[in-house]
Amino acid sequence: QSVLTQSPSMSGTPGQRVTISCSGSSSSIGSNIVNWYQQLPGTAPKLLIYGNDHRPAGVPDRFSGSKSGTSASLAISGLQSEDEADYYCAAWDDSLNGEVFGGGTRVTVL
Amino acid sequence: QITLKESGPTLVKPTQTLTLTCTFAGFSLSTSGEGVGWIRQPPGKALEWLGLIYWDDDKRYSPSLRSRVTITKDISKNQVVLTMTDMYPVDTATYYCAHQFCGGDCYFDSWGQGTLVTVSS
Repeated sequence: QSVLTQSPSMSGTPGQRVTISCSGSSSSIGSNIVNWYQQLPGTAPKLLIYGNDHRPAGVPDRFSGSKSGTSASLAISGLQSEDEADYYCAAWDDSLNGEVFGGGTRVTVL
Repeated sequence: QITLKESGPTLVKPTQTLTLTCTFAGFSLSTSGEGVGWIRQPPGKALEWLGLIYWDDDKRYSPSLRSRVTITKDISKNQVVLTMTDMYPVDTATYYCAHQFCGGDCYFDSWGQGTLVTVSS
């Protein structure tokens, strides 16, 4: 059971906007920044969003992140077939004194 | 460009100790703000953080695995070593090492390709 809670799966059609949520606690998301990772099938995770809402160089601007209280969200605007992947949120947890990951959300492009 | 690569056994027997090496390039683990973490992923399951070593040799471990995991570094070889004792089939997973940069925010910005470790007799 992951410390951060994500919906297991979501789907959308090309061009659609999808939003992935990540729920934590006061000691995790409530006190620390959230990072998002994208894992394409059969590959290692890749940093997608850091510091709640910052995109690393090379990440398309259709990906955006936000945080409010003890929850965070990742939005994909203009969904594309290559966005079909697993998405994980992560944050430091002050109570556990360690990094925690969400259970992952699998995005399927219909 | 930062690169990392995991190496070690692909098969270990129950109760044995696993030792994995992460060899990296493109940064120095003696530079302030740098760190290397270990994350694993059982087949078909989510990512699980195992621990982290910082440039100043500070270490953090997952509370659930603290008694079994040790992370060390060899700056001269640009390597970080993960040791996990008492391996069991539930520890079967792909093990990743990743570069963590802390410049205000901390995040894993580069990952190794991962190595699948199977625990079986």
